[in-house]
Amino acid sequence: GQQLNQSPQSMFIQEGEDVSMNCTSSSIFNTWLWYKQDPGEGPVLLIALYKAGELTSNGRLTAQFGITRKDSFLNISASIPSDVGIYFCAGASGGSNYKLTFGKGTLLTVNP
Amino acid sequence: NAGVTQTPKFRILKIGQSMTLQCTQDMNHNYMYWYRQDPGMGLKLIYYSVGAGITDKGEVPNGYNVSRSTTEDFPLRLELAAPSQTSVYFCASSYSTEKTQYFGPGTRLLVL
Repeated sequence: GQQLNQSPQSMFIQEGEDVSMNCTSSSIFNTWLWYKQDPGEGPVLLIALYKAGELTSNGRLTAQFGITRKDSFLNISASIPSDVGIYFCAGASGGSNYKLTFGKGTLLTVNP
Repeated sequence: NAGVTQTPKFRILKIGQSMTLQCTQDMNHNYMYWYRQDPGMGLKLIYYSVGAGITDKGEVPNGYNVSRSTTEDFPLRLELAAPSQTSVYFCASSYSTEKTQYFGPGTRLLVL
């Protein structure tokens, strides 16, 4: 089946630093999604990407859909303590396949 | 508009007991999903449904059953609870024409 490799597994940074995480796939996806999960909550959608090469921002977050359609990255600029959480990438293939494949997550810790 | 709601939030079961995890969405989404999340393992799909009366197995369906009698509700049934079913369970929903899935807050299940 499809697999997503998400890295890094965890990050410990200082407040104000920029953060970058990425996902790579063994197969092509037509949609990339980035979710954030706060402790004790369900994942919340941050950014959705639908086209190869697409670069989309949501406040301090920027995500890109890789040209090969096998990768995506998420950047967070000027991190703040509330950025703490687990970030998941998810990919969907084309057509009527509505099932998502999730990465294992990146645990982000921000030191004030 | 409450989105996706799940009950209970937390439950402790003894081995061999049964229970139903409830999931309701008020967004008129026709697609619904059940995932389990284990530490460091991301989200694994248990069952999904593309509409009322239609359900299908996901990646890890053993030990679970589902039903979809209405568009809004998608309960997950555990018939004979086992320690391996200790996990956090998330319900999600989406429109048929979109890949973006919206998640509930989760049910934490402990089987002893």
